[in-house]
Amino acid sequence: SQQGEEDPQALSIQEGENATMNCSYKTSINNLQWYRQNSGRGLVHLILIRSNEREKHSGRLRVTLDTSKKSSSLLITASRAADTASYFCATDENNQGGKLIFGQGTELSVKP
Amino acid sequence: GAVVSQHPSWVICKSGTSVKIECRSLDFQATTMFWYRQFPKQSLMLMATSNEGSKATYEQGVEKDKFLINHASLTLSTLTVTSAHPEDSSFYICSADLLGGSSYEQYFGPGTRLTVT
Repeated sequence: SQQGEEDPQALSIQEGENATMNCSYKTSINNLQWYRQNSGRGLVHLILIRSNEREKHSGRLRVTLDTSKKSSSLLITASRAADTASYFCATDENNQGGKLIFGQGTELSVKP
Repeated sequence: GAVVSQHPSWVICKSGTSVKIECRSLDFQATTMFWYRQFPKQSLMLMATSNEGSKATYEQGVEKDKFLINHASLTLSTLTVTSAHPEDSSFYICSADLLGGSSYEQYFGPGTRLTVT
């Protein structure tokens, strides 16, 4: 299955700073989702943005979607050490029965 | 609500043996379950889509005779890794679609770590 691309692959910031991660994909989608994964653990669903939405907020998270550029960004504001994890975007492609295609992920490290 | 469990959470087996991993939706019914594999420091790769009462659909490059999937009920799907080899060592994660929900609602299990020695 095709995977989307995420950048950066790794990001290291200080607590309190903002973290921005980008995701690009290749096909038409129903929606795009962002997940967090702590090392060796399962996935935590963060936010879902539909193809007809351009921006969505949830607490300290802000997600944008540009379907013309086939790209999305995840912004975490006022980061905390507990935000240290890997972040993945996943696309729900049109006519694919709901299966998700995951991006390569961004490994975020927030230093206290 | 909408909890998905996996059993076992980790397993160590010897090369050549078979291992069965269960994926259960605890408080909802799922017509479709998905199986993913994740190698260390990598992303999740979709292996197959499992539909209740029918044969699974495998992604390109995934051997269906090696990774046997059974979805016998609306709450249980199993993945059996047959004749496991060290290269099958990985983190296996399942997810389930909520029956009657929108196609957007997919819930992930906590994963099963398989180590083949």
